[in-house]
Amino acid sequence: DQQVKQNSPSLSVQEGRISILNCDYTNSMFDYFLWYKKYPAEGPTFLISISSIKDKNEDGRFTVFLNKSAKHLSLHIVPSQPGDSAVYFCAAGDSGSARQLTFGSGTQLTVLP
Amino acid sequence: AAGVIQSPRHLIKEKRETATLKCYPIPRHDTVYWYQQGPGQDPQFLISFYEKMQSDKGSIPDRFSAQQFSDYHSELNMSSLELGDSALYFCASSFGPTSSYNSPLHFGNGTRLTVT
Repeated sequence: DQQVKQNSPSLSVQEGRISILNCDYTNSMFDYFLWYKKYPAEGPTFLISISSIKDKNEDGRFTVFLNKSAKHLSLHIVPSQPGDSAVYFCAAGDSGSARQLTFGSGTQLTVLP
Repeated sequence: AAGVIQSPRHLIKEKRETATLKCYPIPRHDTVYWYQQGPGQDPQFLISFYEKMQSDKGSIPDRFSAQQFSDYHSELNMSSLELGDSALYFCASSFGPTSSYNSPLHFGNGTRLTVT
């Protein structure tokens, strides 16, 4: 049973436009969420996180939105740059119990110049 | 800034052999996590340690064991290797007993294990 789902395996966006990556979760015990970016042959790099008490967190070009009632979060990248091309993983955690993250299967973002 | 260091980067072993993967966390990080990522799969949690004690256990096979040492580095020992163990093994570290939105996991670049 996949508790964190990224239903789009790939996404292509024109440079300068907005990239929107989506993530759904099923476990209502998750109380924090993170986005990681991964280039080939490298480990996941932490991008941005959000606590369940918030519905939005912004860091530069990256904004994460959380809709708890829909159990849905999204990562917006504006403006998208070719260097943003990577696999993006959504991850969720329950700070009250297990100390490990549950990852989605990732979305390959390609930003076209 | 110093990152999580994993060694070796690549490892080739034959079936039934043993392998040891090493992980050096970011300085002052006291929690280490091990993840396994098979081809085309998302990272799967194996095991974690906080202050040298096992803190959580995931889908780690009985053939695998791990420990965290006094300098906080960790080693993942894998015995009786099988073809299905071929994967990318990531180590991550964080500060404090639990990961959170303001104490996220930071990952190393992984060890690619190939079992032939």
